[in-house]
Parts: sequence; C-alpha cells; structure tokens
Amino acid sequence: QKEVEQNSGPLSVPEGAIASLNCTYSDRGSQSFFWYRQYSGKSPELIMFIYSNGDKEDGRFTAQLNKASQYVSLLIRDSQPSDSATYLCAVNEGGGADGLTFGKGTHLIIQP
Amino acid sequence: SQTIHQWPATLVQPVGSPLSLECTVEGTSNPNLYWYRQAAGRGLQLLFYSVGIGQISSEVPQNLSASRPQDRQFILSSKKLLLSDSGFYLCACTTGASGAFFGQGTRLTVV
Repeated sequence: QKEVEQNSGPLSVPEGAIASLNCTYSDRGSQSFFWYRQYSGKSPELIMFIYSNGDKEDGRFTAQLNKASQYVSLLIRDSQPSDSATYLCAVNEGGGADGLTFGKGTHLIIQP
Repeated sequence: SQTIHQWPATLVQPVGSPLSLECTVEGTSNPNLYWYRQAAGRGLQLLFYSVGIGQISSEVPQNLSASRPQDRQFILSSKKLLLSDSGFYLCACTTGASGAFFGQGTRLTVV
C-alpha cells in the first residue's frame, strides 16, 4: 500500500527565514512528486512538481528529490505571512491514471 | 488551462437522504477525473477515478458511487447518506503528468 508521510506540525518559522518541509514515501516505483498548498477551507493548489533527483527552483520555492532515500522536500525562502497554510506532499507512480497519493500535510505558520 | 466547476460549495443533508455532486471541466478534453474526500484532520482520500466516459474505478468500498455521462462531467452520488460521509469533497482532473488540478470543493455536513 502506498504511503506518504509528513510531519503534521505546526511548523513555526519567523518571517523572512527559510521554511523546510519534508516528506517520505513508501512506493519505490513513484515517478512524479508534487507539492500543494492548501489554505484553510480552500482546495489544494499545485505549487511545484519534480520528477528527477536533485533540486528544482521556482521563485522562492525549491523542491528537492532523493529517490534513493525516498525523500522529497520543499524549501520556501524569504517566508511571508501569506505562506501560512497546510502543505501537502503527493506522489504518483509513473504518471498512471490512478491518481495521486497524498500525505496528511504539514501546517506551516509564518510569524510576522 | 483547465477550469473545474464544482457545486454546491456547501451542503447540509440529513442522514439517509440522497446526494448528487456535480463537477464539470472546461479547457481540456479527455481528462482523467477524480473524486477525493478530505475529512476533518485527515488527508485526501481518493474515492473514484475515471479515464473516460462510462469508465469508473472505485478506490474505497462505501455507499458512494460515481458516474461520467460526458467527457467533461463527473458526478458523485449516494442513495442514503451516513454521518461518516461528512467531509470536503474535491473534484480533480489531470491531462498529463503535471499533477492534479482541483475544483473549489463541496463541504458536506450530514446531520
């Protein structure tokens, strides 16, 4: 059974610092990895995806993937209060149609 | 880019009543469509997915069902709601390997 694990938090980070969110997954066949941001009461919003080992940067966000360790992370630089949300990690095995497996999310709080 | 319409946004239903939630997609064709449920304090649970008209796969056995009468329409139904059916229901679509995009969701409270 596929499992995606995240620390539920809350993770509290001062404004302007780097927030580091981590995720591990159980299925070695997983090929695609995604980070979603979900504000309270809203639907998840895709912010990053990564397929290859290493780092992928998009603005203040960097996704990091280590398939050997089955570990994916999200770094948020220059954290802003508007980054306060729950961040969901999701994985998909080989881009198949059977959907993404989501972690339960990490609640991030950026302290002004 | 695709747009996903879901309605209603909120719904309060008594136990034992029927349910019908509708999702339509614009801006893409032949999407894979999904219904997820997010219960309070829990992660997103995949309920159903569909790769085409009339093709439904169920991930979780329960009193819910899904149908796809048109390429860009996905419906979630129940004949008799249970208290445990309360949650945030999300329709999503994918058109490749770039992740799933979600509708705005329906918050269902069964009383």
